[in-house]
Amino acid sequence: DVKVTQSSRYLVKRTGEKVFLECVQDMDHENMFWYRQDPGLGLRLIYFSYDVKMKEKGDIPEGYSVSREKKERFSLILESASTNQTSMYLCASSETSGSVFREYFGAGTRLSVL
Amino acid sequence: AQSVTQPDIHITVSEGASLELRCNYSYGATPYLFWYVQSPGQGLQLLLKYFSGDTLVQGIKGFEAEFKRSQSSFNLRKPSVHWSDAAEYFCAVGLPSASKIIFGSGTRLSIRP
Repeated sequence: DVKVTQSSRYLVKRTGEKVFLECVQDMDHENMFWYRQDPGLGLRLIYFSYDVKMKEKGDIPEGYSVSREKKERFSLILESASTNQTSMYLCASSETSGSVFREYFGAGTRLSVL
Repeated sequence: AQSVTQPDIHITVSEGASLELRCNYSYGATPYLFWYVQSPGQGLQLLLKYFSGDTLVQGIKGFEAEFKRSQSSFNLRKPSVHWSDAAEYFCAVGLPSASKIIFGSGTRLSIRP
């Protein structure tokens, strides 16, 4: 079974803190993604990465950065957390092999910024 | 620009009734199409997907979806819903050229006993 693991299910941080959200996948996928999920807005793409040390901005990258030093790990960084970054964060990895194209999701990290 | 629209924010149906959740997309070519379900407190689970071929796709839990190119739609259906189907449902479009997926805003399904 493909596994995408997010290091924390719940996090509570204070405004201004630097926050790291970690994601690891065990299927040697090249593509990895970070989304945030908010009620009524669905999933919105923050950043994605096609390969090690590569990153691309998604639809809402402001206030976030990412790091992909190893293929299996994709980290989301909030340089200075703000209350409007309180949300559910979902990591995903994907395979594209011939006609196969599918994303696998982690369980999510619910972040509260106080 | 590519987009996915789920026009219904919240739908309530009676247990045993039929269900149809709407999804429309905007994309220049035929995309990959997905439906995901998210139960309360759970992660996203893939219900079904369409890549090519037969436009009527069968998924898990008794769901099916039909791709209609002329209407740019990929509506999700189930002939008889169960209370356990109460969840949020997301339609998504995969963009092969960009290797990424765009999600709709979701439809919350409630089941009336």
